[in-house]
Amino acid sequence: SQTIHQWPATLVQPVGSPLSLECTVEGTSNPNLYWYRQAAGRGLQLLFYSVGIGQISSEVPQNLSASRPQDRQFILSSKKLLLSDSGFYLCAWSVGHETDNEQFFGPGTRLTVL
Amino acid sequence: AQSVTQLDSQVPVFEEAPVELRCNYSSSVSVYLFWYVQYPNQGLQLLLKYLSGSTLVKGINGFEAEFNKSQTSFHLRKPSVHISDTAEYFCAVSGDYGGSQGNLIFGKGTKLSVKP
Repeated sequence: SQTIHQWPATLVQPVGSPLSLECTVEGTSNPNLYWYRQAAGRGLQLLFYSVGIGQISSEVPQNLSASRPQDRQFILSSKKLLLSDSGFYLCAWSVGHETDNEQFFGPGTRLTVL
Repeated sequence: AQSVTQLDSQVPVFEEAPVELRCNYSSSVSVYLFWYVQYPNQGLQLLLKYLSGSTLVKGINGFEAEFNKSQTSFHLRKPSVHISDTAEYFCAVSGDYGGSQGNLIFGKGTKLSVKP
């Protein structure tokens, strides 16, 4: 069966510090991968998605970047965190080349920038 | 462009009462529709989905939803809620792109609060 992992589960970082959040998927190959952010009162915002290694699409301009160094690994990064980067970050995957687009979510990372 | 509107940001209800969480969408293409549930500090879990066929879809935990194409709605219902149903519920839509992108458009969520 497929599983998705995210770490760390929680993170407190000072403004201006770097960020690296990791997401890995097991039990499937060539998945589509996604990064979402939930901020209070703003619902679920798609940040990045990837349909393959090294292929990243950004949905909104921001202080963050994403990379996919391996088929089942998706990394969210920042060189210098802002207060507005605080939120709950969710990674998700879906089956590549399928049109029903059901997505499977990881447990999330709670990021607090102070 | 597609969009999803969840009409109620918060829904308080007493235990064992029925509940309906409303969702409307706009799209110019055939759609697939989803309801997800999120418990505090957890990821999203799929409740049910509509791809095609019967417009009444049954999901986990006793929830069901009805796809209404003419009203572009996909409301979620449960005849009798439990305290454990307290969570945030998200409606989502994806288009029949025929590709591998797999993007979903999410509503802003409805917080269901079940009181004893």
